[in-house]
Amino acid sequence: AQSVTQLDSQVPVFEEAPVELRCNYSSSVSVYLFWYVQYPNQGLQLLLKYLSGSTLVKGINGFEAEFNKSQTSFHLRKPSVHISDTAEYFCAVSAVRDDKIIFGKGTRLHILP
Amino acid sequence: EAGVTQFPSHSVIEKGQTVTLRCDPISGHDNLYWYRRVMGKEIKFLLHFVKESKQDESGMPNNRFLAERTGGTYSTLKVQPAELEDSGVYFCASSKGRNTEAFFGQGTRLTVV
Repeated sequence: AQSVTQLDSQVPVFEEAPVELRCNYSSSVSVYLFWYVQYPNQGLQLLLKYLSGSTLVKGINGFEAEFNKSQTSFHLRKPSVHISDTAEYFCAVSAVRDDKIIFGKGTRLHILP
Repeated sequence: EAGVTQFPSHSVIEKGQTVTLRCDPISGHDNLYWYRRVMGKEIKFLLHFVKESKQDESGMPNNRFLAERTGGTYSTLKVQPAELEDSGVYFCASSKGRNTEAFFGQGTRLTVV
């Protein structure tokens, strides 16, 4: 079975500052890794995904994440946040041979002016 | 192209009543998933259809929940009778094939009072 831990339930950050949202996962099999974002009053949107290959993955809106197999982490980063990045961010995994997505509890990103 | 559409967006019902949620996937997507987020907790998988067949229903909480996907197009999720703990946001997602991007709807917020 797989599990995902998002270490911070809320992260406040000043506008134009960098941000890192932390995610650790646990799995006994190979997995795909995802970050989803939910903007206020909207559905879940895929931000980026890691399937294989380069461990640094670039996504939409200037976000990137790095897969670290030894630390079983997949932290999300952005060098400079904007007020429009205010949202809830979900780290997720799915086993390579499974379509079911296992989500973390989410991290609310608050952008301070 | 239309995205995944869910109806209704909100539903408030009394304990013991019946509610039916509907999901219209993206046209041509054989895979359809239901997920649920109970307040304060993670988004949890409920079940997975491939066309009209249930591929995996391991996440269905109990027999008060019935999901159908007649004709392999739209899907319904019926809760009968609803209990207080069924309150939450129900998400539907669809994907074209295995291990391809899943697109999520905006969710149905169900409140049982």
